Amino acid sequence: GQQLNQSPQSMFIQEGEDVSMNCTSSSIFNTWLWYKQDPGEGPVLLIALYKAGELTSNGRLTAQFGITRKDSFLNISASIPSDVGIYFCAGRITVRTGANNLFFGTGTRLTVIP
Amino acid sequence: EAQVTQNPRYLITVTGKKLTVTCSQNMNHEYMSWYRQDPGLGLRQIYYSMNVEVTDKGDVPEGYKVSRKEKRNFPLILESPSPNQTSLYFCASSLYRAGELFFGEGSRLTVL
Repeated sequence: GQQLNQSPQSMFIQEGEDVSMNCTSSSIFNTWLWYKQDPGEGPVLLIALYKAGELTSNGRLTAQFGITRKDSFLNISASIPSDVGIYFCAGRITVRTGANNLFFGTGTRLTVIP
Repeated sequence: EAQVTQNPRYLITVTGKKLTVTCSQNMNHEYMSWYRQDPGLGLRQIYYSMNVEVTDKGDVPEGYKVSRKEKRNFPLILESPSPNQTSLYFCASSLYRAGELFFGEGSRLTVL
């Protein structure tokens, strides 16, 4: 499968701080997605990006689709304890019919210290 | 409520004892998929299905089987589990292949 490099692998931050994480690939993607996984739960979609250069916000979250289509970043402003979890990026490419087209990064584990 | 339901949520079994993890979605989604999550490796796709009776291998299909006889159900079968299949498994579905995925709550499997 495609390789998505997500960084950092883990972060420990103080409540109220801003957070930034990113995802890079050697392949071009048509869509970038960001998911969050709460402890003991399945991943939940946070933001979807469909166009190179697109900047999209969802509350305190902002994500951008890199202009080269090979990267994306996610920012969280003014972090709160419930932001704790694992954040996954995912990239989608157009492939021949029937082939797998969605690939996940390895995740960024976020810990927020009250 | 729209959801993807997996069972069992937790299972401890022994090497070689066949098991099935069920997955059911109530959203009339065409696309369903199984992932395994391992520390440091993220989510890796095992099998996926684009519609009834249409299944295909993902990145790590060895040791697994699936079937899609009905649109809502997509069971994952481990015919002869081995310890390297100890993992956290997620079922997911989407309206179509290019759509956004809804995940189940996960099934933690331990093979001794």
